[in-house]
Amino acid sequence: AQSVTQPDIHITVSEGASLELRCNYSYGATPYLFWYVQSPGQGLQLLLKYFSGDTLVQGIKGFEAEFKRSQSSFNLRKPSVHWSDAAEYFCAVGLSGGYQKVTFGTGTKLQVIP
Amino acid sequence: KAGVTQTPRYLIKTRGQQVTLSCSPISGHRSVSWYQQTPGQGLQFLFEYFSETQRNKGNFPGRFSGRQFSNSRSEMNVSTLELGDSALYLCASSITRTGANTGELFFGEGSRLTVL
Repeated sequence: AQSVTQPDIHITVSEGASLELRCNYSYGATPYLFWYVQSPGQGLQLLLKYFSGDTLVQGIKGFEAEFKRSQSSFNLRKPSVHWSDAAEYFCAVGLSGGYQKVTFGTGTKLQVIP
Repeated sequence: KAGVTQTPRYLIKTRGQQVTLSCSPISGHRSVSWYQQTPGQGLQFLFEYFSETQRNKGNFPGRFSGRQFSNSRSEMNVSTLELGDSALYLCASSITRTGANTGELFFGEGSRLTVL
């Protein structure tokens, strides 16, 4: 069964600083990979996705992520964080083909300080 | 285009009662998934429906059930509520035109259930 690990439960960065959120997955085949963001009291919004092709994917709000097969990682990055980026971020893996079942990591809560 | 709509947004129940939550997917989306979100367990997959059929189910007891209607709207039901059922229940829809999974989910804002 697929699994996702987000080793950082909570991260604090200063506004304007760069950000990297870590994600490692476990899955036998090439997975579909996603990053979602959840603001307090809200549902999850898709930031970006990787299905195949270019391993560096661009998403909304200035985020990007890089798929590294050799490290089973899909880390999320942003060069300059804004206060509005404070939220919880979830990495997720989906089955490549087959039924809809997406497995989420435990999330990383991002705090942005002025 | 309207997003995923979940009702009710908040509800309070007591142990032993049952609850029904509703989800209206984005127009044209035929797959509806349900997730339970709690601080301790994170996001846990409950089940997924496509064309009125449950295609996949997570590891939850039989007290948790769901269904999907011909218009793709979905409901989930929890019977004999326990304190541990207190959670945010999230519904997500996706297109899956061919029935194949892409995993790109569109979430509603959730139904927050409190069991006293």
